[in-house]
Amino acid sequence: DAKTTQPTSMDCAEGRAANLPCNHSTISGNEYVYWYRQIHSQGPQYIIHGLKNNETNEMASLIITEDRKSSTLILPHATLRDTAVYYCIVRFFGGATNKLIFGTGTLLAVQP
Amino acid sequence: DSGVTQTPKHLITATGQRVTLRCSPRSGDLSVYWYQQSLDQGLQFLIQYYNGEERAKGNILERFSAQQFPDLHSELNLSSLELGDSALYFCASSVDATSTDTQYFGPGTRLTVL
Repeated sequence: DAKTTQPTSMDCAEGRAANLPCNHSTISGNEYVYWYRQIHSQGPQYIIHGLKNNETNEMASLIITEDRKSSTLILPHATLRDTAVYYCIVRFFGGATNKLIFGTGTLLAVQP
Repeated sequence: DSGVTQTPKHLITATGQRVTLRCSPRSGDLSVYWYQQSLDQGLQFLIQYYNGEERAKGNILERFSAQQFPDLHSELNLSSLELGDSALYFCASSVDATSTDTQYFGPGTRLTVL
C-alpha cells in the first residue's frame, strides 16, 4: 500500500471549513484514498473514499488532484465535535485482504 | 453507532493471564478485522477472518490467536499477557473481503495488564 504524509496537527475555527491535506505521491492506479477519523479513544469512523473523482457525502468532501498524488478532505462547517485525529489511508483492491494501514494522522482541533 | 459490538468495554488483568475479547460484526458482514492501538505503535492490523476462515495476518504475536464462529462473531484470545499488551483492541467488519467495501469499527476493548 502507498504511504501517506499528513501534517501532525491543524487548528480550525468553529463554523469555518476545515481543509485537511494528504500527500500520496506513490499511489498506483488501483489504489483508493480513504479517510477515517478517531474521536478521543473511540473506534475509527469512516468518512469518505474516492479513486480519482471528487466525492461528497453528508459528512465531508474529498478532492483528489488530477495526478492523484494528493488529496484534501474538506469539512464544510467544522464544529467542536469534529475535533479528532483524521487518517488518510491508501488502499489497494484486488488482493486477498482489505486491511487498513494507519499512519499517524492529523490531529484537528476545532476552536470555539 | 456502527453496528459492530465489542465486549467487554474494559478489562483489567495481571501479567501471565489469558483473556478473550469478543466481537459481533454488523448484520450481513462476512469479514472481521482485529486492530491493536497502543500509545507507542498507533493503530496496527492484527488479523482478518472472512466467513470463518483466516484471510490475512498482520503484526500479531504468537501468544495471540483469533477465530470466527459459524454465526460470524469473532473472538481474539490473548495469553501469557505482558505489560506491553495493554492497549485498545478494535474489531471492524465489512461485507466482503475483496470488494471496494468499507470497514466499520466497534467501540473497542481497553485492556490493562497490571
